Amino acid sequence: DAGVTQSPTHLIKTRGQQVTLRCSPKSGHDTVSWYQQALGQGPQFIFQYYEEEERQRGNFPDRFSGHQFPNYSSELNVNALLLGDSALYLCASSLIAGEEQFFGPGTRLTVL
Amino acid sequence: EDQVTQSPEALRLQEGESSSLNCSYTVSGLRGLFWYRQDPGKGPEFLFTLYSAGEEKEKERLKATLTKKESFLHITAPKPEDSATYLCAVQGGGSQGNLIFGKGTKLSVKP
Repeated sequence: DAGVTQSPTHLIKTRGQQVTLRCSPKSGHDTVSWYQQALGQGPQFIFQYYEEEERQRGNFPDRFSGHQFPNYSSELNVNALLLGDSALYLCASSLIAGEEQFFGPGTRLTVL
Repeated sequence: EDQVTQSPEALRLQEGESSSLNCSYTVSGLRGLFWYRQDPGKGPEFLFTLYSAGEEKEKERLKATLTKKESFLHITAPKPEDSATYLCAVQGGGSQGNLIFGKGTKLSVKP
């Protein structure tokens, strides 16, 4: 049973650029949530997607946007990158009816 | 505002030395409290979900308990492979799915 997968593993960008991160949920899951984890901190909720719609959003600017596809996979887009966007970006999947979220390995984004 | 505080920030144990990690929370209508283990540079690994005060769950050397204000993760006779950061998260009644995480407790177990 494949777990949550994310790509790429690592990414280096410069300030002002745009980035797209990808996530495939655990088999059977229909909901994808994205989190940002800065070094030494706990993950912070960015947004959640269900049925291709943004269901809930955390305290992140509009530079952060997302998408969910009919096969439940998801993308996170970040525009106009800032140095402070450097972090581990985590994708978690779940069943809409349940609360347990299973995380992928993350994408390490470095903004120079 | 929903909030999670974990203590201590870091804990060093000798192999076999049992201890507990604390997670204090403030939430409007707890839907669930979650414990995760995270190894450096990797995603959190799900351990337990607790739903109501008095509930307990066990997995190998780990046991999680829940009261109305806090949760404890008890580690019995730890081994070096238990070294990791342990994260606590809550999901509140007003939430449609987001988890509120603490900063974690970094556990080091020396042989």
